[in-house]
Amino acid sequence: AQSVAQPEDQVNVAEGNPLTVKCTYSVSGNPYLFWYVQYPNRGLQFLLKYITGDNLVKGSYGFEAEFNKSQTSFHLKKPSALVSDSALYFCAVRDRTNAGKSTFGDGTTLTVKP
Amino acid sequence: EPEVTQTPSHQVTQMGQEVILRCVPISNHLYFYWYRQILGQKVEFLVSFYNNEISEKSEIFDDQFSVERPDGSNFTLKIRSTKLEDSAMYFCASRKTGQYTEAFFGQGTRLTVV
Repeated sequence: AQSVAQPEDQVNVAEGNPLTVKCTYSVSGNPYLFWYVQYPNRGLQFLLKYITGDNLVKGSYGFEAEFNKSQTSFHLKKPSALVSDSALYFCAVRDRTNAGKSTFGDGTTLTVKP
Repeated sequence: EPEVTQTPSHQVTQMGQEVILRCVPISNHLYFYWYRQILGQKVEFLVSFYNNEISEKSEIFDDQFSVERPDGSNFTLKIRSTKLEDSAMYFCASRKTGQYTEAFFGQGTRLTVV
């Protein structure tokens, strides 16, 4: 069975500093990995995905994520955080069946302070 | 930009009543999903739907739940006899055909069972 772990419930950074939100995964075979962001009382917005190819994936709003197969990680990063980046972030892994259901991590609340 | 729309945004119902949550997926998408998120907790897969039938369902999706695509645009989730523990945010998602496509989520319906 596939699974995702987000080891930090909360990440706090100062505006302008780099941020990292951690994610590790467990799947059989090659993973499809995704990051979503959820703002208060809103749905999940797609940020970026890793399917194959380059280990560094660039996404929306200046976010990027680094896929590391040996460490089974897919950490979300941004070089310079904004207050508006404060939200709940979910890492997800999708299985390779046609149904393609996603399994989400528990989420990490990112707070960027001015 | 096309989006997944869900109605209503908030539904309050009495325990034991039936509720129908409605979703309009993105028009050229062929895979449809329902997920739920109990307040402050992780996003959980309920069911996937493709080619007018359920592809996969979780253990949460018991006989009280059903899904339907009654016409070419709507995708509904019915809960026959709601329980207090069904209170959650319910998200509909859809994606295009293809292994590498990401799912797009609606804004969610907050279901409160009293």
